[in-house]
Amino acid sequence: SQTIHQWPATLVQPVGSPLSLECTVEGTSNPNLYWYRQAAGRGLQLLFYSVGIGQISSEVPQNLSASRPQDRQFILSSKKLLLSDSGFYLCAWSVGRGGSPLHFGNGTRLTVT
Amino acid sequence: GIQVEQSPPDLILQEGANSTLRCNFSDSVNNLQWFHQNPWGQLINLFYIPSGTKQNGRLSATTVATERYSLLYISSSQTTDSGVYFCAVRYSGTYKYIFGTGTRLKVLA
Repeated sequence: SQTIHQWPATLVQPVGSPLSLECTVEGTSNPNLYWYRQAAGRGLQLLFYSVGIGQISSEVPQNLSASRPQDRQFILSSKKLLLSDSGFYLCAWSVGRGGSPLHFGNGTRLTVT
Repeated sequence: GIQVEQSPPDLILQEGANSTLRCNFSDSVNNLQWFHQNPWGQLINLFYIPSGTKQNGRLSATTVATERYSLLYISSSQTTDSGVYFCAVRYSGTYKYIFGTGTRLKVLA
């Protein structure tokens, strides 16, 4: 069966420090991968998605970037964190070009101090 | 632009009551899902329902794709139903899943 791993679960980082969040999917090939962010008390905002290795689509211009170095690995990065980068970051996957369910990891709660 | 709207934004129920949550979308979809976000932030997939009706215990959902809406029914609500309910849609021809604004449900004992 397919599983998605996302780590760390919580992270406290100072302003100006770098960020790297990793997400891996097991049990499926060529998944579509997604990064979402949820600010406190708000909805989910799509940040990036990828439909193949090395392919990244950015939805919101901001202080973050994403990379997909391997088929089932999706990384969210920042060179210098801002206070406004605080939030709950969720990785998700789906398969195929047609309709298929979206599956989420457990998320990373990031606090920038 | 692409929009997914949910109503009501907030809902308070007494335990045992029934409720209906609504999701409106603006174009044809090839995926619609209902999620429950628990107090720990986990998104629990309730239904994958781009069209038709499904039931799972006390929960059921109906999507009328031609009229661009979906409904989530919660019957005999329990305190453990509390949390935020999101619908998410994937419009035809895209890979993006867009989330609605959510309905925050609180069930009182």
